[in-house]
Amino acid sequence: QSALTQPASVSGSPGQSITVSCIGTSSDVGGYNYVSWYQQHPGKAPKLLIYDVSERPSGVSNRFSGSKSGNTASLTISGLQAEDEADYYCNSYTTSSTYDRSSTHVFGTGTKVTVL
Amino acid sequence: EVQLMESGGGLVQPGGSLRLSCAASRFTFSNYWMHWVRQAPGKGLVWVSRINSDGSRTSYADSVKGRFTISRDNAENTLFLQMNSLRAEDTAVYYCARAISVGGEGIGYWGQGTLVSVSS
Repeated sequence: QSALTQPASVSGSPGQSITVSCIGTSSDVGGYNYVSWYQQHPGKAPKLLIYDVSERPSGVSNRFSGSKSGNTASLTISGLQAEDEADYYCNSYTTSSTYDRSSTHVFGTGTKVTVL
Repeated sequence: EVQLMESGGGLVQPGGSLRLSCAASRFTFSNYWMHWVRQAPGKGLVWVSRINSDGSRTSYADSVKGRFTISRDNAENTLFLQMNSLRAEDTAVYYCARAISVGGEGIGYWGQGTLVSVSS
């Protein structure tokens, strides 16, 4: 259950678009369309932004969008705003590498988004 | 709006035990898979465990397998995490979380977390 790989930091100016990548394997990101993305502000609980690769829950701004190609998922934030400065995490459904092959989840390493 | 309220965190010595609870409200608890996720101070999110809607199926991260047990009481709308043989590296904020939808994968709603500190 190795963590999915995300860049440590991504930055952009207000109004710009940025993309955060999430690299996994064929056993997690590449094998299932169950990738989610979360935003976390300091001292707060995470908030769901995207689920099932590209679905957006009601109430989440359409400036947030998700996609996937092969073993890499991506979160794009368009029209970057000051309030978007936060940590972002991806998550994927996967199956355990142990003998029981149980259904598990794995998070990414996290990306700090800075608005310049 | 979905509400999840964790309790039971605190300071415990290495090798000790602790039982976390999560009181759920404003949704039909018995319909949803539930998860525990933790976050060590200054670190990232780590998935810990999940349980299906009727409690018959569970799974765990390798790091806690054999030491932690997830369970639920659907009559009391409460999720539990029994943590035994605690280690310093288990120190973290523990979040209770609900699946996005009935039968859906992914984690949709989060509690505010409870801090577990393992230290002598």
